[in-house]
Amino acid sequence: DVKVTQSSRYLVKRTGEKVFLECVQDMDHENMFWYRQDPGLGLRLIYFSYDVKMKEKGDIPEGYSVSREKKERFSLILESASTNQTSMYLCASSSWAATDTQYFGPGTRLTVL
Amino acid sequence: SQQGEEDPQALSIQEGENATMNCSYKTSINNLQWYRQNSGRGLVHLILIRSNEREKHSGRLRVTLDTSKKSSSLLITASRAADTASYFCATDALGGSYIPTFGRGTSLIVHP
Repeated sequence: DVKVTQSSRYLVKRTGEKVFLECVQDMDHENMFWYRQDPGLGLRLIYFSYDVKMKEKGDIPEGYSVSREKKERFSLILESASTNQTSMYLCASSSWAATDTQYFGPGTRLTVL
Repeated sequence: SQQGEEDPQALSIQEGENATMNCSYKTSINNLQWYRQNSGRGLVHLILIRSNEREKHSGRLRVTLDTSKKSSSLLITASRAADTASYFCATDALGGSYIPTFGRGTSLIVHP
């Protein structure tokens, strides 16, 4: 059974804190993605990675960075959290053989106070 | 920017009824997919239809694709309360990146 896990389901942080969101997949997928989901806006792509140590900006990368040191792990970093980064964060992965099908983690609901 | 847009934004039906959701998109595609998201959870892939296909079935799901109208529909037959979720279409643009672009979703409520 394919699995994408995220480190936290709920997270509360204060403005200015550095926040790490971790995502792990056990499917040996090459591609990994971070999205944020907000009411009325749908899913927006923050960053993606198609290989270890490789990263590409998505549609809304400002205020975020990512790290992919190992194939199975993709981390999203909020260097200095702000209230407008309060959102649901979704991680996904896909393989090169089937790039059109993404597997999602359960999501992390982040609240920045 | 959104490639696919679902319609309606919200749908409320009784158990046993059929639910139909539509997705319109702007540019030519390689394929189109439908995902389901239960409240507060991640998305789950339901079905993929390629640009050269017109209809596809999976259990109680039926997806159609009309490339001339740049639209797709998802039909859930004999709906159940457990079908309550948000449904998203995602498109893989022809000649674009391999990353699907998601719409804003249709929120479906099935009353028991």
